[in-house]
Amino acid sequence: QITLKESGPTLVKPTQTLTLTCTLSGFSVSDEYVGVVWIRQPPGKALEFLALSYWNDDNHYSPSLRTRLTITKDTSKNQVILTMTNMDPVDTGTYFCGKSAGWLVDYWGQGAQVTVSS
Amino acid sequence: EIVLTQSPGTLSLSPGERATLSCRASQTVGKNYLAWYQQKPGQPPRLLVYNPSTRATGIPDRFSGSGSGTDFNLTISRLEPEDFAVYSCHQYAYSPLTFGGGTRVEIK
Repeated sequence: QITLKESGPTLVKPTQTLTLTCTLSGFSVSDEYVGVVWIRQPPGKALEFLALSYWNDDNHYSPSLRTRLTITKDTSKNQVILTMTNMDPVDTGTYFCGKSAGWLVDYWGQGAQVTVSS
Repeated sequence: EIVLTQSPGTLSLSPGERATLSCRASQTVGKNYLAWYQQKPGQPPRLLVYNPSTRATGIPDRFSGSGSGTDFNLTISRLEPEDFAVYSCHQYAYSPLTFGGGTRVEIK
């Protein structure tokens, strides 16, 4: 059974760095043609792609957020980590990780709620 | 970056009626790599159809996807009570991956 679970702080202060971890089960970060993606959703708004880490270490980022994002893999723990610097209240929302087959997101975690406030 | 525009923003229908949702891309979606998701409050998106007419595992056949190039549709043949939700289209042909703004299907 494939599952993904996001973990990280629920509250961060403006200018701080957010670190979110996606723990995978039922598949490996090293499986061929598989990727792990981070997507966020501000309250009441649309889904927004953040970053994708592909099985062969090919990483992709949102062009508008590229300078603030880093996606990495911990193969020993079967986890994918997203860091986002210089957090702002507009970054408040639910952060999802997902498994991609090719680039199609076919499984999603339940999401992690992140609030940016002083 | 491919921009996906969904219409209408809200669709008010009754159970048993047919729903047709539209997704228009700002440029041709390569290999028709277009998917549709359903999302209910407090839940993650659920994959419905992809490529763009292949139903995901366990999805009822009242959901069907169609289209090619820049114009795609999701049709729900007969709305069930559990189908009232927000539907989003998604292109996975090019990086960055992009999503439409969503169509809310509400009970009339």
